[in-house]
Amino acid sequence: DAKTTQPNSMESNEEEPVHLPCNHSTISGTDYIHWYRQLPSQGPEYVIHGLTSNVNNRMASLAIAEDRKSSTLILHRATLRDAAVYYCILRDYSGTYKYIFGTGTRLKVLA
Amino acid sequence: SAVISQKPSRDICQRGTSLTIQCQVDSQVTMMFWYRQQPGQSLTLIATANQGSEATYESGFVIDKFPISRPNLTFSTLTVSNMSPEDSSIYLCSVAREMWGSEQFFGPGTRLTVL
Repeated sequence: DAKTTQPNSMESNEEEPVHLPCNHSTISGTDYIHWYRQLPSQGPEYVIHGLTSNVNNRMASLAIAEDRKSSTLILHRATLRDAAVYYCILRDYSGTYKYIFGTGTRLKVLA
Repeated sequence: SAVISQKPSRDICQRGTSLTIQCQVDSQVTMMFWYRQQPGQSLTLIATANQGSEATYESGFVIDKFPISRPNLTFSTLTVSNMSPEDSSIYLCSVAREMWGSEQFFGPGTRLTVL
């Protein structure tokens, strides 16, 4: 299973953009990049996913490098509610459906 | 989306005993999974719960320790058997509507403390 590497923690000021990086140098052609976040005392929730092209939804944007060896989750205006652990996960759509969670990035948002 | 409930939400158990955790989904789903999250750690997949057949366990997890049932498309149970303090964790159920779906939905978790 391909692995992901993320910084352990990051800080951001409220209402500023946040760029959360993820390295996945062993990504295969059939791996999609998924992002989840886990708010305190809750189960993880889906944020966004993509394969090659950049993706946008109401929660965030996902920027994927041209060689797909890295990606960045972008929160356009961080709020205090965005304080969570963010997980970058590779999912192989050609194989067994399972997620391998890495250590994630703990995002702290400063008021 | 899918609404998932887990019972119990938390429990404190004595070593050597067993606890069964229930996961109920508000609608039929194809895939159901069980994860463990040890204190301060990330999530680790225990097994995929298969309807009508034995669960598929990940490396390091065995059926004798973590028996799983899935009698239908909306319900699954995970039993933590012969517990020790090392089993103290949060246990989470998650579901996916279909095999090729893009999103898993997670339950709130069951916080287990073993004394």
